[in-house]
Amino acid sequence: QKEVEQDPGPLSVPEGAIVSLNCTYSNSAFQYFMWYRQYSRKGPELLMYTYSSGNKEDGRFTAQVDKSSKYISLFIRDSQPSDSATYLCAMTFTGGGNKLTFGTGTQLKVEL
Amino acid sequence: GAVVSQHPSRVICKSGTSVKIECRSLDFQATTMFWYRQFPKQSLMLMATSNEGSKATYEQGVEKDKFLINHASLTLSTLTVTSAHPEDSSFYICSARDLTGNTIYFGEGSWLTVV
Repeated sequence: QKEVEQDPGPLSVPEGAIVSLNCTYSNSAFQYFMWYRQYSRKGPELLMYTYSSGNKEDGRFTAQVDKSSKYISLFIRDSQPSDSATYLCAMTFTGGGNKLTFGTGTQLKVEL
Repeated sequence: GAVVSQHPSRVICKSGTSVKIECRSLDFQATTMFWYRQFPKQSLMLMATSNEGSKATYEQGVEKDKFLINHASLTLSTLTVTSAHPEDSSFYICSARDLTGNTIYFGEGSWLTVV
């Protein structure tokens, strides 16, 4: 079993839809959770960073963490074609050498 | 957000030669930088962790003599692929940890093609 599980997709939604992207993890030591967006042939771009259970909102993006269930989500409201990319969840913990453990990434396509 | 710059973004080299990729944190200091390799449609594979002023820590299976990493300052780490072969062709990405927290920012990546 991988430490971080993420559905690779592809996920196709119409423009304006609410998108839900999810990751589950098995290591309860993970404390810090990140979501990155990666466009084709580019480096990942940090979207959201959270470290506590609950919701964190930034514009059209909401990151949700449920440590009791070892489950994190990223919601995208009013999705746009420019949101089409691969979304990677990543997590780490203090004392873990600051290494990130990644999900496999979910490929999202927002269609007109 | 913080900016991490990688150079070159694309490089083509001949088999047997060496190529150096630079990773710079432009507006923050980074004691730790990371080097990844990514194959098409796959997630990032951590190659090594680079700490300023000390030797890099390589992941299992990564040849330290082939992938030389130097982290000479708080804003610069370099990856040198020595005696490159076509199978080294890949997308190499660096990341840097912000000193103030646990946030990690990525560079734009460098495409290496060995012919």
